[in-house]
Amino acid sequence: NAGVTQTPKFRVLKTGQSMTLLCAQDMNHEYMYWYRQDPGMGLRLIHYSVGEGTTAKGEVPDGYNVSRLKKQNFLLGLESAAPSQTSVYFCASTPRGNTEAFFGQGTRLTVV
Amino acid sequence: QQQVKQSPQSLIVQKGGISIINCAYENTAFDYFPWYQQFPGKGPALLIAIRPDVSEKKEGRFTISFNKSAKQFSLHIMDSQPGDSATYFCAAGSSGNTPLVFGKGTRLSVIA
Repeated sequence: NAGVTQTPKFRVLKTGQSMTLLCAQDMNHEYMYWYRQDPGMGLRLIHYSVGEGTTAKGEVPDGYNVSRLKKQNFLLGLESAAPSQTSVYFCASTPRGNTEAFFGQGTRLTVV
Repeated sequence: QQQVKQSPQSLIVQKGGISIINCAYENTAFDYFPWYQQFPGKGPALLIAIRPDVSEKKEGRFTISFNKSAKQFSLHIMDSQPGDSATYFCAAGSSGNTPLVFGKGTRLSVIA
């Protein structure tokens, strides 16, 4: 049972490049989330999904897009990376909004 | 969207002492209050959680105290150990299509 798996674990991008972060969960959870974690800022919600085919904006959605075409996968896209998007990104999933969240191991992204 | 306020931002406690972290929320629809523990380089993991039908929950050295009327809950770590040094996040969730909301985190250092 892998839980929540994030791909890749590390990535360095040049300003203006694009990339997609993949989150996969094998627990049949309905809800999936993307957070970014920066020093002193805690976990800030970027986008989330409450079911296959649905997405919604979180606290800091600008510069990011997401898709939930399959229930088990939640993709986070950066169309034109900026240095301000240098961060550690965490994916999480929950059965519902008021149940335990399971986190991935994180993706450390550096934009130069 | 930040509806959970956590304090203090950082905390230094002597080994064997009591660590106390507080959170306050606004949304009375919240019915799930978890605490997450995060070690450097890892994703957050559930430590302990409480629902509003009880005022206290204890698991080993970790206790959640919940005050529904004050809309506050706190984490108490008894006999704090250096291995407890980590970042702690409180969170709140509700049923319905809303995401789990996290506090900004508390960096705990337990010194010998």
